[in-house]
Amino acid sequence: EVQLQQSGPELVKPGASVKISCKTSGYTFTEYTMHWVKQSHGKSLEWIGGINPNNGGTSYNQKFKGKATLTVDKSSSTAYMELRSLTSEDSAVYYCARRDYGYGGGFAYWGQGTLVTVSA
Amino acid sequence: DIQMTQSPASLSASVGETVTITCRASENIYSYLAWYQQKQGKSPQLLVYNAKTLAEGVPSRFSGSGSGTQFSLKINSLQPEDFGSYYCQHHYGTPLTFGAGTKLELK
Repeated sequence: EVQLQQSGPELVKPGASVKISCKTSGYTFTEYTMHWVKQSHGKSLEWIGGINPNNGGTSYNQKFKGKATLTVDKSSSTAYMELRSLTSEDSAVYYCARRDYGYGGGFAYWGQGTLVTVSA
Repeated sequence: DIQMTQSPASLSASVGETVTITCRASENIYSYLAWYQQKQGKSPQLLVYNAKTLAEGVPSRFSGSGSGTQFSLKINSLQPEDFGSYYCQHHYGTPLTFGAGTKLELK
């Protein structure tokens, strides 16, 4: 069974950084790109970017360049996203999602989400 | 960037009714469109990909159609578990973008 297990909620101060994780199981980690999606409270979904775990290659939404950094640890089949210089605008639920070309390139598997709250 | 315009923003319907949600892309995305359902406090779930192909396990009362710039998601005979939010998303190049969402509520 494919599973994407994200790290727990984070409360961080403005200006700080946070690194959230997405631990995968049930499939070969390097065979699928991993993506991150932001959902601000009550709002729609925004694609942040994606990473190819096989070679570390990344693709970012221009809006999030400089804000988000995507990495992976192949040894533990875990993807990471670090967010820096946090402001209240970064308070949101962040999802990891596996892009699946067997499903036309849609996101067939999602993590449960990580709530990041930026507050002094 | 490709803009996805989704309508309506909200919709009230009763169990047993049929509803349609539409999504318009700002440029030709061929059939590279997905639909997701999201329930309160949960992760989105893939319903349809390639505009009209149901994801595994999705009931046949859901159907997707369209190509190019105009797409729709139809739900026949609404069931109680169908209420929630729906999003379209193109997967034709990057950045991937989502529609603003449709909140489907019980009348």
